[in-house]
Amino acid sequence: NAGVTQTPKFQVLKTGQSMTLQCAQDMNHEYMSWYRQDPGMGLRLIHYSVGAGITDQGEVPNGYNVSRSTTEDFPLRLLSAAPSQTSVYFCASSSTGAQHYNSPLHFGNGTRLTVT
Amino acid sequence: SQQGEEDPQALSIQEGENATMNCSYKTSINNLQWYRQNSGRGLVHLILIRSNEREKHSGRLRVTLDTSKKSSSLLITASRAADTASYFCATHVVTGRRALTFGSGTRLQVQP
Repeated sequence: NAGVTQTPKFQVLKTGQSMTLQCAQDMNHEYMSWYRQDPGMGLRLIHYSVGAGITDQGEVPNGYNVSRSTTEDFPLRLLSAAPSQTSVYFCASSSTGAQHYNSPLHFGNGTRLTVT
Repeated sequence: SQQGEEDPQALSIQEGENATMNCSYKTSINNLQWYRQNSGRGLVHLILIRSNEREKHSGRLRVTLDTSKKSSSLLITASRAADTASYFCATHVVTGRRALTFGSGTRLQVQP
């Protein structure tokens, strides 16, 4: 199993550009989520999904969209990139849906995004 | 402000010594989890302790939970250089969003 795979590993965008960060997991996990990590601020939840077709907002959802059409994939779309979105983005999944918080999160290795 | 706050922010010890990191939180939780992050990598789950548990062990790791004080500690015994990493606590609150909330982490440096 590859686990959680994030692509790309690095990305540089200009302000106003859009892009999609990809996340795929091969563990048949129901729960998937996106976090951003900024220095000194830990991880902040952007969006999450407890199953295909179900998404919900996290702590910092503005400027980001998600969809969950399959169990395996949970892409994160930046609509119009801003310098404040410069960060490291992590996708994570866990095995249970509604009870996901009782299971460990499995993380990808992150996408480092710079917006100039 | 963060639901979970780790203390200290940074810790430097010698190989073989024990390392203790603390986590405080604000609201009632279902469980508390500890994760490790090596530089440039994703987080790796270490241990989960439920709100009705007081202590758990996993290898050289010992986690305690005091719900009356809303705090947890992670003890790494006989530390190794390979334990150098950032350590995060994460909590799931009883009410509210169905997701884990992470603290800002403790950076542990183990000197060989």
